[in-house]
Amino acid sequence: QSGLTQPASVSGSPGQSITISCTGTSSDVGAYIYVSWYQQHPGKVPKLIVYDVSNRPSGVSNRFSGSKSGNTASLTISGLRAEDEADYYCYSYTTSDTLVFGGGTRVTVL
Amino acid sequence: QVQLVESGGGVVQPGGSLRLSCATSGLNFKKYGMHWVRQAPGKGLQWVALIGIDEKRKNYVDSVKGRFSISRDNSRNTLYLQMNWLRSEDTALYYCATELIRPVEGTKAFDVWGQGTMVSVS
Repeated sequence: QSGLTQPASVSGSPGQSITISCTGTSSDVGAYIYVSWYQQHPGKVPKLIVYDVSNRPSGVSNRFSGSKSGNTASLTISGLRAEDEADYYCYSYTTSDTLVFGGGTRVTVL
Repeated sequence: QVQLVESGGGVVQPGGSLRLSCATSGLNFKKYGMHWVRQAPGKGLQWVALIGIDEKRKNYVDSVKGRFSISRDNSRNTLYLQMNWLRSEDTALYYCATELIRPVEGTKAFDVWGQGTMVSVS
């Protein structure tokens, strides 16, 4: 049950686009469409921003978009804003009927 | 409005036990699977356990197998996590969360998390 691999940090200037990768295996990310992304601001509860690889819950900005290729999922934040500064986690269902998070990526808006 | 409220956290010595509860409201609790997720201080999220709509389906992260037990009481709309043989590395904020809820085909899915309850093993 190894965690999914994410970069520790990603940064960008306001208005730019950034992409966070999430690498797993054929037993998790590569196995199903059940990959989600969460945003967590300091001291707050995680918030679902993408589910089923590329779908957004109601109320989530369309600046957040998800995709997947093979064993790697990606989250792109376009038109970066100061309020996007947070930790982001990918989350995948696995072939063992368990779930696994990525290690998290700190996004910094320069 | 759906609400999840965790309780039962506290300070416990290594080898001790705690039972966490997650009281739900505004949710047709018996229809949804549930999860426990934890976050150690300053660290990332870790999925801990899941339970299906009844008690037939339960799974755990390897590090808690044989020590933690997830259960639910659908008549009380409450989720539980019995934690035995606690270790220092179990120190974390424990969240309960619903599985992904898909109201109707073609509508947006969502999930709900509680605010968490802190467990300190020291």
